[in-house]
Amino acid sequence: AQSVTQPDIHITVSEGASLELRCNYSYGATPYLFWYVQSPGQGLQLLLKYFSGDTLVQGIKGFEAEFKRSQSSFNLRKPSVHWSDAAEYFCAVGPYGGSQGNLIFGKGTKLSVKP
Amino acid sequence: DTAVSQTPKYLVTQMGNDKSIKCEQNLGHDTMYWYKQDSKKFLKIMFSYNNKELIINETVPNRFSPKSPDKAHLNLHINSLELGDSAVYFCASSHEGRSAEAFFGQGTRLTVV
Repeated sequence: AQSVTQPDIHITVSEGASLELRCNYSYGATPYLFWYVQSPGQGLQLLLKYFSGDTLVQGIKGFEAEFKRSQSSFNLRKPSVHWSDAAEYFCAVGPYGGSQGNLIFGKGTKLSVKP
Repeated sequence: DTAVSQTPKYLVTQMGNDKSIKCEQNLGHDTMYWYKQDSKKFLKIMFSYNNKELIINETVPNRFSPKSPDKAHLNLHINSLELGDSAVYFCASSHEGRSAEAFFGQGTRLTVV
């Protein structure tokens, strides 16, 4: 069955430190992979996506992610975290069912940033 | 300009009531979705809909029904609301195509009391 696992429920990093959020997936074919961010009380904003090609993808706000097929992973990274990055981060895989936007989400990782 | 907009942003209602949440997208997308985010922040697809097909997640109670007056709108109707329906509901839209990605609205926080 298709699934997404985000092993870390909550991560705290110091401002300026590097960040890596983990995501593992189970999917029967070549997946589309996404990272979304949800700030408190806000909707979901797409950070980056992987469909094909270069396995290192760049996103907005200085984020990047690397697709590793052998490890079924799509980890999100940022070299230097800013206080405004504090939010909930969701990894998602798709599509499934009949539509491209049918995504399976992980349970999210909450990022806290220490000053 | 808001790409995917939902109204209302907050909705508090009593058990047993019927309510609707509206969603509009101005992106020209041909497919729209409803997702439910529970109290633990877990997001799950409820429906996907385009002018050809409605795909329903089999776990969604039939008290929930999507209604689409046109391609730009997908409203969510909920009958006989229950306490367990309290959640944040997100509307989303996308193109049907190989590189489609879903754009999400701001969410509607529904509280059933």
